[in-house]
Amino acid sequence: QKEVEQDPGPLSVPEGAIVSLNCTYSNSAFQYFMWYRQYSRKGPELLMYTYSSGNKEDGRFTAQVDKSSKYISLFIRDSQPSDSATYLCAMSSNSGYALNFGKGTSLLVTP
Amino acid sequence: DTGVSQNPRHKITKRGQNVTFRCDPISEHNRLYWYRQTLGQGPEFLTYFQNEAQLEKSRLLSDRFSAERPKGSFSTLEIQRTEQGDSAMYLCASSLSGQGLGGYTFGSGTRLTVV
Repeated sequence: QKEVEQDPGPLSVPEGAIVSLNCTYSNSAFQYFMWYRQYSRKGPELLMYTYSSGNKEDGRFTAQVDKSSKYISLFIRDSQPSDSATYLCAMSSNSGYALNFGKGTSLLVTP
Repeated sequence: DTGVSQNPRHKITKRGQNVTFRCDPISEHNRLYWYRQTLGQGPEFLTYFQNEAQLEKSRLLSDRFSAERPKGSFSTLEIQRTEQGDSAMYLCASSLSGQGLGGYTFGSGTRLTVV
């Protein structure tokens, strides 16, 4: 079993919908949690970065971390066709180096 | 500085050949990482440099793989005697120590196809 589990989808929603993406993990040492967006044939782009538990909001994006349940979420409000991409969760126990990624969830927002 | 730069963007090679990729990190970043991403999977950590020192290597980094970061600036990843299973996107990332992970920035990757 991988340390980070993420449903690969695909997830298809109409424009304007609220999107909920999530990951579960098994390593209780993880303290740093990130969400990346990756367009086809491009590198991952950092969207949200959270340390420990709690919520963080940035524009249309909200990241939530529940360490007691080992569960993290990313919410996208007022989704746009340009949000269509693969969303990767990543986490680390150490601010120094290796990130542990989920498989990524493929999102399609239809006009 | 426009971010992490990787070259080439795409490399096609015959099985058994050696290949080398280059990564130029964000100039002030002292940490540099290599990852491998196969289709439908998230990136997998390969190795990590702080300045010129290679501090961590994943067990995924077989003896055919070697990475260097001379003078703590750009880095190269070499794969010797390539195999079809090496076909993947090779991603480089960089960050600055003391900034946590908020500045962990990836390049666009080098896509390797072994035929």
